[in-house]
Order: sequence, then C-alpha cells, then structure tokens
Amino acid sequence: EVQLLESGGGLVQPGGSLRLSCAASGFTFSYYAMSWVRQAPGKGLEWVSGISGSGGTTNYADSVKGRFTISRDNSKNTVYVQMNSLRVEDTAIYYCAKTTRYEHARSALHYWGQGTLVTVSS
Amino acid sequence: DIQMTQSPSSLSASVGDRVTITCRASQGISNYLAWFQQKPGKAPKSLIYAASSLQSGVSSKFSGSGSGTDFTLTISSLQPEDFATYYCQQYNTYPYTFGQGTKLEIK
Repeated sequence: EVQLLESGGGLVQPGGSLRLSCAASGFTFSYYAMSWVRQAPGKGLEWVSGISGSGGTTNYADSVKGRFTISRDNSKNTVYVQMNSLRVEDTAIYYCAKTTRYEHARSALHYWGQGTLVTVSS
Repeated sequence: DIQMTQSPSSLSASVGDRVTITCRASQGISNYLAWFQQKPGKAPKSLIYAASSLQSGVSSKFSGSGSGTDFTLTISSLQPEDFATYYCQQYNTYPYTFGQGTKLEIK
C-alpha cells in the first residue's frame, strides 16, 4: 500500500523559512517523480513543484520560483521542499503526491499524502 | 500559463442522477488532463488521468473524455459518497494548473 506522510508544517513569520518532508513507502521510491501541491484555506489546488525520480530535474510554479527548493533523498525514500522568504500568501496545506512516471514532465499525480499545514503570520 | 475553466462551479443533484462536469483549457493540452475528487478536510483523490483512463481502484461510475481543449467528467448513478468537490488539472505544460473546482451538492 502506497503511503505518503508529510511533516514539518507549522507557524512561521513572514520572511522566515521552513522545510517540509514527505516520507514514502509501499513503492520503489526512486522509480517515480514526485510533486508538491498546496491549498490555501477555503481555496482551490495549486501545483507548486515537481522532481524527477533521480532528482536531476526540477520544476516550479512562478509564485515560488527562487524561494522554494525541491529535493529528494532516495536512500531515505523522502522528498523535501525547502521554503525560504515565506509570505503570508504561502499559507496553505501542502500535499506531496506520487506521480505515475519516472520523469515529472507529463506525469499525472496519483497518490496523495494527508497534507501538512503551513501558516505564515506575524 | 494555461487557464483551466470548469463549469459549472456548483451543481445540485439527487442520489441516482448522472452528472457531467466540463473543463476547458485556454490552449490545447492533448490528453494530459486529470480529474480529482476532494471531500471536506481530506486530501484530493485521483480519479482519471490521460483524460479518460481510470486510476486503479476507482469505481467505473466515473468516466472521462475529451482531447485538445474540451474535457468532461461524468459520474453515473450518484451515491451519497460522491458529493464532493471535483478538480481538473492539466499536466501538459509547466506550470501545471488546476480548474477552480466544481462543488457537487445533494439536492
């Protein structure tokens, strides 16, 4: 059974940093690209970032480019997102998702974690 | 960015009904279109990928169609557990984008 468990969320001040983790199990982690998707309170879904199975290719939404960095450790079956220069508008539940292919490009989201809440507020 | 527009934004239906939700892309995305279901307080669940392929374990009451710019999600014989919010998403071109959601409510 595929399981994705996010952690690392919490309250942070504007301008601060946070690193989210997503621990995966139930599949061969290095074979699949992974994504982060967020959802602001009461709002819709927004794709944030994606990474290939090797970690060699990454992509970002314009809203986070230059501030967020996605990475993965295939030896730990974990994907991360390092979030710097956080803004109030980054407040959201952050979900990690397993995709259907090794490469992230044109790879559908498949399994989702339960999410972790990030609140950016002074 | 490719804009995804869903219609309707909300929909009231009865148990047993068949409903269709439409998703339109602002430019062609071939068949790189997915559908998700989300219930309050829960993570989204993947239903359909590649416009018409059912994710494993998903009920065949869900079906998708379309290509290019126009897509539909059809849910047959609605049951109480189907009342939720549904999102489409294009994954043809970065940044990947979602529709605004369609809230399916019980009439």
